[in-house]
Amino acid sequence: QVTLRESGPALVKPTQTLTLTCTFSGFSLSTTKMCVSWIRQPPGKALEWLARIDWDDDKWYSTSLKTRLTISKDTSRNQVVLRMTSMDPIDTATYYCARTRGYSGGGRSHTDSDYWGQGTLVSVSS
Amino acid sequence: QSVLTQPPSVSAAPGQKVTISCSGSSLNIGNNYVSWYQQLPGTAPKLLIYDDDMRPSGVPDRFSGSKSGTSATLGITGLQTGDEADYYCETWDSSLRAGVFGGGTKVTVL
Repeated sequence: QVTLRESGPALVKPTQTLTLTCTFSGFSLSTTKMCVSWIRQPPGKALEWLARIDWDDDKWYSTSLKTRLTISKDTSRNQVVLRMTSMDPIDTATYYCARTRGYSGGGRSHTDSDYWGQGTLVSVSS
Repeated sequence: QSVLTQPPSVSAAPGQKVTISCSGSSLNIGNNYVSWYQQLPGTAPKLLIYDDDMRPSGVPDRFSGSKSGTSATLGITGLQTGDEADYYCETWDSSLRAGVFGGGTKVTVL
């Protein structure tokens, strides 16, 4: 049974750094093609892809947020951590982590997330 | 502004069919696989379609995916009130080296 759970502060102040942890079970991040992604969704708005870390420790970031994001994994603890610096009220959103199948084959990339956490709402306000 | 373009909303009566388009470019949809998600109000997204046209176990065959060139389409037949949700397409962008989502489409059952 695959589960993922996001944890972190519900409220951060502007300019602070947000640290979110995704704790998962039911799969291993050392399995080939296995990845964990972070996606966020501002209230009433669309999903926004943030970052992904792969089984082989490759890391991928949203171009627009790349300078502010760091993703890392602790395979032994089944955790993935996302850090976002210089938080701003516009970063208020529900943050999701998801198990993702991500790899390239035949020159084409696969990316699909079959299990998601329930999401954690992060508000940015002074 | 999303890299992938979806219509903001579509609607149809119960039992009818709706299609949702997702338009991109050769850098994303044209050369990578597309997935589709359903997000019911207040819940996390659920994977409906992967690899352009494959359904995960448990997803009814009323949901279908297709792709032609740089556009993908999600079809829902036999529309039910429980299908009222937001639907998102996703793919990999080879230029951005990142995942990208469409802006989402709200399905309303009249």
